[in-house]
Amino acid sequence: GENVEQHPSTLSVQEGDSAVIKCTYSDSASNYFPWYKQELGKRPQLIIDIRSNVGEKKDQRIAVTLNKTAKHFSLHITETQPEDSAVYFCAASIGAITGGGNKLTFGTGTQLKVEL
Amino acid sequence: EAQVTQNPRYLITVTGKKLTVTCSQNMNHEYMSWYRQDPGLGLRQIYYSMNVEVTDKGDVPEGYKVSRKEKRNFPLILESPSPNQTSLYFCASSFFRGTEAFFGQGTRLTVV
Repeated sequence: GENVEQHPSTLSVQEGDSAVIKCTYSDSASNYFPWYKQELGKRPQLIIDIRSNVGEKKDQRIAVTLNKTAKHFSLHITETQPEDSAVYFCAASIGAITGGGNKLTFGTGTQLKVEL
Repeated sequence: EAQVTQNPRYLITVTGKKLTVTCSQNMNHEYMSWYRQDPGLGLRQIYYSMNVEVTDKGDVPEGYKVSRKEKRNFPLILESPSPNQTSLYFCASSFFRGTEAFFGQGTRLTVV
């Protein structure tokens, strides 16, 4: 089955700096890669996702890049703010178009702390 | 308001006493799943359902049961809870696999 590894497990940055979280996946059939943000005591919420037919996607200060050949994808947060402090999870799955496994497999999470 | 609702939010129970955690969504989603979240292990899928009467095991199904008799509901059943099932549980739904998953508020379960 799919295996997703996520690094680093903790990340501390100064406000205004950039943060990068990296994930690798094992199943080359995976084609959907979402990122979730979980604030303390809250539920995970989708912040951005990417499909395998594109290499990069941006949404304001957040961007995700995908390298299918190397089977890794990354989350980039620019101009970090204190409210970006949270746990971030990457995930991988096979989307609706193809057959095969249906599981959404998550990484183990990155605790991001943005310091003033 | 579109939402996924879990109940209860908190539950303390004793080993061996059967319990059910309910999950309901009002978005007409086909795909529903259950996860448990443990420190350092992230979110691990317990069971998922692609539609009514269609369920399958995730990565950590042992000790759990599910059912999908109606599209909106996907209860998680622990027939004989054990202390190693103490965890934070999330239900999630999505229109289909490969689309955004919406999570419930979470259920913090303690088995003593």
